[in-house]
Amino acid sequence: QVQLQESGPGLVKPSETLSLTCAVSGYSISSGYYWGWIRQPPGKGLEWIGNIYHFGNTFYNPSLKSRVTISVDTSKNQFSLNLSSVTAADTAVYYCARARGDTSSKYPDNWGQGTLVTVSS
Amino acid sequence: DIQMAQSPSSLSASVGDRVTITCRASQSINRYLNWYRHKPGKAPELLIYATSSLESGVPSRFSGRGSGTDFTLTISSLQPEDFATYYCQQSYSTPPTFGPGTNLEIK
Repeated sequence: QVQLQESGPGLVKPSETLSLTCAVSGYSISSGYYWGWIRQPPGKGLEWIGNIYHFGNTFYNPSLKSRVTISVDTSKNQFSLNLSSVTAADTAVYYCARARGDTSSKYPDNWGQGTLVTVSS
Repeated sequence: DIQMAQSPSSLSASVGDRVTITCRASQSINRYLNWYRHKPGKAPELLIYATSSLESGVPSRFSGRGSGTDFTLTISSLQPEDFATYYCQQSYSTPPTFGPGTNLEIK
């Protein structure tokens, strides 16, 4: 059974870069599927950040595209999120997920538990 | 972006009750509609994909219907583990978008 676990700093200063990693176990990233990041600010809804296919094709939400990079490291069976120039509005629980779907828009079939990242000086 | 709405926003029910949650899309999404259950502090779980297909391992008390813009999730007989927040999500066009959630509480 596939399991995903987010890791990274819980506190990031404004204007800096938020960096998170998702370790995947029980499934090899290089075998397929899409791998994505979703976030939920406190008291708000879920927002799709972006996703990557195992050989590197990416999709980023246009609302965040200028600040987001998602990458994959198949040797470590993990993928990462970098979000630059963060502000307080980027404070959220960040989830990593495995995703699938037969359109360009995907849906998660396995999620991590999420990690809270707070942007504050 | 396609906007997703859910009703009700919260619901009180008892173990054994039958409940239905509604999801509405701002434009037609064909049948590209998925449902999730989220318990506090846990990973969200995929319940239903493509409107009515039950994800592997999900109990048969969960069912989904709809097409176009209007969809429903029905739980036929609530179990204690079903008291959680439920989200719908469209995977018809990018970016994928989620409904605001329905909080199902114990009466």
